[in-house]
Amino acid sequence: QVQLQQWGAGLLKPSETLSLTCAVYGGSLTGYYWTWIRQPPGKGLEWIGEINYSGKTKYNPSLKSRVTISVDTSQNQFSLSLNSVTAADTAVYYCARISRSVPYLWGQGTLVTVSS
Amino acid sequence: DIQMTQSPSSLSASVGDRVTITCRTSQGITDELAWYQQKPGTAPKRLIYAASTLQTGVPPRFSGSGSGTEFTLTISSLQPEDFATYYCLQHNDYPWTFGQGTKVEIK
Repeated sequence: QVQLQQWGAGLLKPSETLSLTCAVYGGSLTGYYWTWIRQPPGKGLEWIGEINYSGKTKYNPSLKSRVTISVDTSQNQFSLSLNSVTAADTAVYYCARISRSVPYLWGQGTLVTVSS
Repeated sequence: DIQMTQSPSSLSASVGDRVTITCRTSQGITDELAWYQQKPGTAPKRLIYAASTLQTGVPPRFSGSGSGTEFTLTISSLQPEDFATYYCLQHNDYPWTFGQGTKVEIK
C-alpha cells in the first residue's frame, strides 16, 4: 500500500526558506505526477505546483518566483522549497500523488508557521 | 486563472437530508473537475473525479454532475459521517484552482 510521509521545519522566521520533503513508501515515483498544496489555518486550499518523475514542473504564478519543486528518484522523494517566506505563507502543506489527473493519495500534512 | 465560485459557503442540514453543493467556473472546463471532502485535522479525501465518476470506496449516496461551467455535488441522504467541508477543484488549466469550500454542519 503506497503511503506518503512528509517532513520539514515547522517554525520559520520571515525571509527564511521553507523546505519540505515527501517520501513515497510502498511504491515508485516513476510514472506519476506529484503535487504540493497548502491550506492556511481556517482557510481553503491553494495549489502550489507539480512535478513528474523526470523533473518536469508547473508552478502557481502567484508563487513562481519563490518556489522550487524537485524530485530525487534514487531516494523516492520529492521536495518543496519556498524562499523569502512571510506570515502569509503560514499554512499546512500537503504533498500528494496525482492519479486520474487530480490529487488522490495525500501526505499527512505539515504545519509551517512563519513568525518572528 | 480560472475563478471558482462555490456555493453555499456553509449549510445546516439534518441526517437524511438531500444536500446539493454547486461549483461554477469562470470559463468552460469540460469535465475536468473533482470534489473533495475534508474533516478537521486531516487531508482532503477525493470523492468524485472527471465531474461525475465516483471514487472507488466512496458511498453511492455521493454523486457529481455537470460539465462546462456548472457542476454539482449531491449527497442523497446525509449521514453523520458526512459532516465536513467540501471543495471542488478544476484541473483544466494551470494554475489549478479550488472552490472556497462548503462547510456542512448539523442542524
